[in-house]
Amino acid sequence: DAGVIQSPRHEVTEMGQEVTLRCKPISGHDYLFWYRQTMMRGLELLIYFNNNVPIDDSGMPEDRFSAKMPNASFSTLKIQPSEPRDSAVYFCASSLGKTGLETQYFGPGTRLLVL
Amino acid sequence: QKEVEQNSGPLSVPEGAIASLNCTYSDRGSQSFFWYRQYSGKSPELIMFIYSNGDKEDGRFTAQLNKASQYVSLLIRDSQPSDSATYLCAVNPNTGNQFYFGTGTSLTVIP
Repeated sequence: DAGVIQSPRHEVTEMGQEVTLRCKPISGHDYLFWYRQTMMRGLELLIYFNNNVPIDDSGMPEDRFSAKMPNASFSTLKIQPSEPRDSAVYFCASSLGKTGLETQYFGPGTRLLVL
Repeated sequence: QKEVEQNSGPLSVPEGAIASLNCTYSDRGSQSFFWYRQYSGKSPELIMFIYSNGDKEDGRFTAQLNKASQYVSLLIRDSQPSDSATYLCAVNPNTGNQFYFGTGTSLTVIP
């Protein structure tokens, strides 16, 4: 299996621009998670989906952030407009989640720098 | 109060020593516990998971769980320089499939 795939791997943009991060989960996994990692706050859960439906978006920092999962093999995280404080590494992870005990597998991350 | 707490370190041990990493959690109903390793600039990767009280061994790694004390630890025996990384503790509170991660402990193994 190819594992979780994320794109782009690096993104540099200017404040105010729209940023779209993409994720392809492991085939067959029915849970998908978006995390943000910074030195100050560590790994924070932003939102997660089960069977393409958003379950908990309480970690989404504000309305500038939105996430979609139009099908089982694709999800996007969008920031519009972007701000310098959004600079972080954004990880996507997926899991089977049948019993609630399965582990999560992480993608390589997208390193976002907002100037 | 944070859901999962870890000592941020850094923790330094000499090569060949035992490294001990600790984690406490707040949700007494939590059911599953995970240790992830994250090398600098890389994504977290699973090392071990544990569900039951007691010890679970996998090679040089031993996870220990004490639900009564709400405490989980990771022991690394015969530490190697390649073990130098940040170790993240994750807890599934059994209220869904989301995890709560600690902020991680940075480990350096000195040759």
